[in-house]
This record gives sequence, structure tokens and C-alpha cells, in this order.
Amino acid sequence: GESVGLHLPTLSVQEGDNSIINCAYSNSASDYFIWYKQESGKGPQFIIDIRSNMDKRQGQRVTVLLNKTVKHLSLQIAATQPGDSAVYFCAENRGGSYIPTFGRGTSLIVHP
Amino acid sequence: GAVVSQHPSWVICKSGTSVKIECRSLDFQATTMFWYRQFPKQSLMLMATSNEGSKATYEQGVEKDKFLINHASLTLSTLTVTSAHPEDSSFYICSAPGQVYNEQFFGPGTRLTVL
Repeated sequence: GESVGLHLPTLSVQEGDNSIINCAYSNSASDYFIWYKQESGKGPQFIIDIRSNMDKRQGQRVTVLLNKTVKHLSLQIAATQPGDSAVYFCAENRGGSYIPTFGRGTSLIVHP
Repeated sequence: GAVVSQHPSWVICKSGTSVKIECRSLDFQATTMFWYRQFPKQSLMLMATSNEGSKATYEQGVEKDKFLINHASLTLSTLTVTSAHPEDSSFYICSAPGQVYNEQFFGPGTRLTVL
């Protein structure tokens, strides 16, 4: 299930389950959104992106959904594997900027 | 994709000393690089934009005299934490934009611990 820790929400799932990580963004002028994966002690790694003129984009085992009406972004990971365990950040490029502003992050823990 | 490296990967220093962190774009040129700071269990916060050949642009609340940035070449930006204190202990990450609009490549980060 999902819980909110002191700073970082945590999502715990069983290997093979599908995971859904949610993110609320703040700026309605944001036109580009990215999901990053960060493993412990490493820099962020690009997973998937989506432009504001789309509402869904699929990659390999991952899907990003964008709901501009409620300013909500989600990352779906199919058949979650232990190697997916990491912290996941959504980021937005605010209108006209190419510098990502990072959201809060969610820690995904995959149990074998 | 393009590679961004950082050196050192970790550093421990005494309070009051200065520490330099390097960020290099290994196979591409970057006229702009970005420096982020990340405290444990928190998100990445943009500190400053490093501009090759000109002054860095700092985000609100970031002390430019404490975090000195030099972007002396098209492949190297350095961040110097001057007179470091324990509260400066953090994970420092740099990034550089790619050729494609909105593309960003992140370095592996540098863990700074100030005793």
C-alpha cells in the first residue's frame, strides 16, 4: 500500500504487480513533464516524458498519464521487478523553460 | 545518450574548509549546466545555472559567495562550497542540456559530508 513518511511517500508492491505512482503539479503553464528514477546514491535517470498536448504515452513497461484538468501526472509500471525499487520523481518544465522543476518523489519498494 | 560525470563522487571535509566539485560533459559540449542540491529523502532543488564564459545565475535563497560556480570551458563547470559547515552536507548533482529541446543529462552526484 501507499504511505506518507516524514518527507517521502512510499509505495510497497509485490514483484509482478503493477505499480502506479502519482504526482500533482502546480503550474498550469507547464508544457512538458518527465519522470525520473533515482537509485540510492545516484543521479536521476530519465524514464519517460510527455508533452502537454498529449494525455498518454507508453514506453517499455511504463506508461505516463497526464490530466491537465486536475494537474495530475501518473506513472504506471507493469510487472514491477525488484530492480524497479528506487525513488521516482516527476518533473515539469514550466512554460518557456527547459529546466526541470522536481516534484516531491515517491519511494517504490518491490518485494520479491 | 550523452554522459555527464562528477568528481569526486564523495568527499568528507572539516568545517571551515572549501570543497570543489567538478561536473564534466564527456562527449558533448554544454554552454549551460545546472547545479542541484538534494537533502536526504527530499527532492532535487535547483541552486544555480552555470553559464560558460559568464556569471552564474543563482536561485533565490542560494548564497553566491558561498557556492562559487565557474564554467571555464564548454565541458566543465565547477562548484566550490566555501567555508563549509555541517548544514552544507548534502548530495550535489549537476546536469547539462542535450541537443534536443527539453533533454537533460544528469551526473551521478557528489556526496558532501562536513564534519
